[in-house]
Amino acid sequence: EPEVTQTPSHQVTQMGQEVILRCVPISNHLYFYWYRQILGQKVEFLVSFYNNEISEKSEIFDDQFSVERPDGSNFTLKIRSTKLEDSAMYFCASGQGEETQYFGPGTRLLVL
Amino acid sequence: GDSVTQMEGPVTLSEEAFLTINCTYTATGYPSLFWYVQYPGEGLQLLLKATKADDKGSNKGFEATYRKETTSFHLEKGSVQVSDSAVYFCALSNNAGNMLTFGGGTRLMVKP
Repeated sequence: EPEVTQTPSHQVTQMGQEVILRCVPISNHLYFYWYRQILGQKVEFLVSFYNNEISEKSEIFDDQFSVERPDGSNFTLKIRSTKLEDSAMYFCASGQGEETQYFGPGTRLLVL
Repeated sequence: GDSVTQMEGPVTLSEEAFLTINCTYTATGYPSLFWYVQYPGEGLQLLLKATKADDKGSNKGFEATYRKETTSFHLEKGSVQVSDSAVYFCALSNNAGNMLTFGGGTRLMVKP
């Protein structure tokens, strides 16, 4: 069964550094999403991406964040200058445009 | 805006006990409703969904009915197993392809 994959599974970085989180969505999906879950808190929507552009974003997704689909398979989330409060589990999801979204296993980001 | 409220955990049950995890929502329009499950160390997996009022979603012995009159989507299972121990998230989507709004999650612990 096809699944969403994410790399790395864990990343530790210093405050102020740039990080890129990578995702490979399910191959025939057209809609892509990033969510995050700060430890002990809700899963929060960050951004959705369709037809090579952002279709929706939350207030969390400020200028420090960007997304890209650099080729036909990868979908990346870049945080330009990480802050301590960016420490969270980041989930990628993909879908075909109906309601169901399929999630990857997540990348745990720790900012020191 | 849209929101989802679910009962706080942890919920601790003995094997073969009856499970109910309450979920209520606030949304404009007619959202689709979901239950996702997160097993230890894994990502979010879709457990079941319902897309219109009075629909019942079911999977692996779990079920939930979309109740528009009470804006609820409570998760139930007649006889839980130790392997059901996980965190359960209620979520809604207001339009196909749009963001998911999650509840805070409920941790279920099932003891043998």
